[in-house]
Amino acid sequence: GESVGLHLPTLSVQEGDNSIINCAYSNSASDYFIWYKQESGKGPQFIIDIRSNMDKRQGQRVTVLLNKTVKHLSLQIAATQPGDSAVYFCAETPSGTASKLTFGTGTRLQVTL
Amino acid sequence: GAVVSQHPSWVICKSGTSVKIECRSLDFQATTMFWYRQFPKQSLMLMATSNEGSKATYEQGVEKDKFLINHASLTLSTLTVTSAHPEDSSFYICSARDQDRGGKTQYFGPGTRLLVL
Repeated sequence: GESVGLHLPTLSVQEGDNSIINCAYSNSASDYFIWYKQESGKGPQFIIDIRSNMDKRQGQRVTVLLNKTVKHLSLQIAATQPGDSAVYFCAETPSGTASKLTFGTGTRLQVTL
Repeated sequence: GAVVSQHPSWVICKSGTSVKIECRSLDFQATTMFWYRQFPKQSLMLMATSNEGSKATYEQGVEKDKFLINHASLTLSTLTVTSAHPEDSSFYICSARDQDRGGKTQYFGPGTRLLVL
């Protein structure tokens, strides 16, 4: 759902470790999900997407898992690097052609050396 | 591919003036573009959906007479903040869908930071 809070949850991960960022969505009619990365002062950057007929999709160093039963989405980043430090948003869109995205609250990933 | 640009990247204006922000899809055509607003440490909030050749669709609570949207071509949408006030200061971000690729992925511009004095 939409964010209303002033404080982003933060995940601190040591460089080289794996990161797992979680997202809960509320609309059971959503059939398409996207993870975006947003660095400070920049627009969101597409990372990976997944459709509701899948439960896992892998990209380069990233994996998205979808659990429709509990309406949960996660982003796994392997071998986290300092350049991965950013705010990560999940977004969902319901079936149909409107294609409006609803963004989650966001999670700040801090990579420590 | 799928590059979206915005201009200007930042703007400072006096209260009461109008500001126009441009959003361009550089290497694809976009019949649909979206305008978002983002406050510090918050998520993106959709303001309106911009449709090429027709009127924009505004989200609930967004004043269409204050935030004028024009989508005159398949690669350009503009957002004009009319009679801007300090509370309009925010980070404005546009996105576009690549119609030829299909799907629902939105590609975002770099954002425009607006400061109204």
